[in-house]
Amino acid sequence: EIVLTQSPATLSLSPGERATLSCRASQSVNNYLAWYQQRPGQPPRLLIYGASNRATGIPARFSGSGSGTDFTLTISSLEPEDFAAYYCQHRNQWPPDGTFGQGTKLEI
Amino acid sequence: QVQLVESGGGVVQPGRSLRLSCGASGFAFSDYGMHWVRRAPGKGLEWVAVVGSDGTTKYYSDSVKGRFTISRDISKNTLQLQMDSLRVEDTAVYYCAKEGGSSGSDRFHFDHWGQGTLVTVSS
Repeated sequence: EIVLTQSPATLSLSPGERATLSCRASQSVNNYLAWYQQRPGQPPRLLIYGASNRATGIPARFSGSGSGTDFTLTISSLEPEDFAAYYCQHRNQWPPDGTFGQGTKLEI
Repeated sequence: QVQLVESGGGVVQPGRSLRLSCGASGFAFSDYGMHWVRRAPGKGLEWVAVVGSDGTTKYYSDSVKGRFTISRDISKNTLQLQMDSLRVEDTAVYYCAKEGGSSGSDRFHFDHWGQGTLVTVSS
């Protein structure tokens, strides 16, 4: 069973600053890694898939990198609406379960 | 555009049952695997169950295996989750989510989510 560990648990930054969020897998997940943003009262929103591909409509300030076991989500210059929870996620061909990391809360 | 709308949540006593539904529109429902994901109060996202596009491939998290059953009705474009023997720890907002593609690694992420339905298990 693959375990995803996100760090830090909470990240305190100001608008305009750069945010770097980490996700580490307990074994190689190739590049099968996605990132989601969840604001309070909202469903999750896909940001990045395949480790580095921005989803439709996602601003260019969001970028993903990494492969194997270590992945990073970077927000180049924080906007007020970016303060939310972020989750990484992995799924294999089999078993087809969708493992999530425990999340990083990005706060002002 | 793609729409996923959950229903069926509510307050239920421990040990009782509840059935959630997710109505899908705006895409070829029969071509995509579909998932249920939940978020308990104060916790993170937890994957619950998947049904493949074939309707027969099903897989569950250990926390719900043997108690929950996922299914899909192609004729009604609906995803269901039958939840039996509910526990207090099943209290959460339940989301249905669509896989990002119908083949290859595009199936490995979730590109559309419903707004969620709240299930509260309490005596």
